[in-house]
Amino acid sequence: EDKVVQSPLSLVVHEGDTVTLNCSYEVTNFRSLLWYKQEKKAPTFLFMLTSSGIEKKSGRLSSILDKKELFSILNITATQTGDSAIYLCAVGHRGSTLGRLYFGRGTQLTVWP
Amino acid sequence: NAGVTQTPKFQVLKTGQSMTLQCAQDMNHEYMSWYRQDPGMGLRLIHYSVGAGITDQGEVPNGYNVSRSTTEDFPLRLLSAAPSQTSVYFCASSYSLPTQGLVTDTQYFGPGTRLTVL
Repeated sequence: EDKVVQSPLSLVVHEGDTVTLNCSYEVTNFRSLLWYKQEKKAPTFLFMLTSSGIEKKSGRLSSILDKKELFSILNITATQTGDSAIYLCAVGHRGSTLGRLYFGRGTQLTVWP
Repeated sequence: NAGVTQTPKFQVLKTGQSMTLQCAQDMNHEYMSWYRQDPGMGLRLIHYSVGAGITDQGEVPNGYNVSRSTTEDFPLRLLSAAPSQTSVYFCASSYSLPTQGLVTDTQYFGPGTRLTVL
């Protein structure tokens, strides 16, 4: 059975801290791994990763994929209160034109001032 | 572009009632899907469509129907609402990569509908 597991499920930090969120997967015919940020409304797209070892960066956020060990991490440096959100990991399925995504349960990040 | 729109934003139903959640996108995306989100459960796929006239079931399809008569619209129907269907519902869409004949995995989400079934 395909599975996407995120850890930790929740995390509380103070502004300025650096956090690492984890996503491991067991999905047959893997194609891509995506990270989304969700703040009390619709998920918004952060990154899509398809190749191992290539870091994607956007400001203070970065992510990398390890296809051999079947996991990805999302790093946030110098956290701010605006980073408080649920971070969702999703995996895309190869061999199909359907674009189907398998989501993890998410990590609830809370950043205190 | 309005992107992906959903109506209503909030709805309260009584057990046994039926209703339709509306979803529309103006980006000419071929692929559309419906998810439900429950606390601590991430997003679970209900139904999806790869184009007008084509739909299929996701992980949790029971109690829901869909149809896709146009590229723009993908309504979700609750046939006989149950308290277990209390959830937040998200519609999403994505497009094809013509050179590869694949649907990109980057999906664009609507703002969601919060449904309560009493």
